[in-house]
Amino acid sequence: DAMVIQNPRYQVTQFGKPVTLSCSQTLNHNVMYWYQQKSSQAPKLLFHYYDKDFNNEADTPDNFQSRRPNTSFCFLDIRSPGLGDAAMYLCATSRVGQDNEQFFGPGTRLTVL
Amino acid sequence: GNSVTQMEGPVTLSEEAFLTINCTYTATGYPSLFWYVQYPGEGLQLLLKATKADDKGSNKGFEATYRKETTSFHLEKGSVQVSDSAVYFCALRGNRDDKIIFGKGTRLHILP
Repeated sequence: DAMVIQNPRYQVTQFGKPVTLSCSQTLNHNVMYWYQQKSSQAPKLLFHYYDKDFNNEADTPDNFQSRRPNTSFCFLDIRSPGLGDAAMYLCATSRVGQDNEQFFGPGTRLTVL
Repeated sequence: GNSVTQMEGPVTLSEEAFLTINCTYTATGYPSLFWYVQYPGEGLQLLLKATKADDKGSNKGFEATYRKETTSFHLEKGSVQVSDSAVYFCALRGNRDDKIIFGKGTRLHILP
């Protein structure tokens, strides 16, 4: 059973054309995360939500925005994608508490033309 | 701040060889420690975890022991298979922290 679902799996956009990636979860976890992962690198945290409380990483560009309308869904908006934003975008969820691991979705691979 | 250091890859081994991937950490307090695995084109999957000192996490023949005295959480497997080829990430989660800190990842290639 899919637990963290990301759509689409592959997204192609044009330079400067806004794009939205979506994530949904069936785990009812409080915390949701968005990561950017470039080839052969570790995932880089962009932001996370604890319930509706939004936490932005200090080095996340303003070009990246997020929405979490309810517990199950979270969206990543890239307002004006540049060539450097081509990457795999990973959504993850977890319960609160340091003993709890993150559950990752399969990722959306973004190509910027 | 918290950090994780793991051995650089790629690591190339023959099938049935013994595997060790080193991981050390810096953290205040007593973090929980994790190993994640990422197969090509997929998201990360939890491989194993340990939440307190001297705990041993194990799964699919992989093991790692939480060593507080050496701040280490090395991943081991006695006999690797071609299907173990992937990227492995060591990670920690600290006290009252929603974030997980990842190491840079180690790519493992297993040759038949």
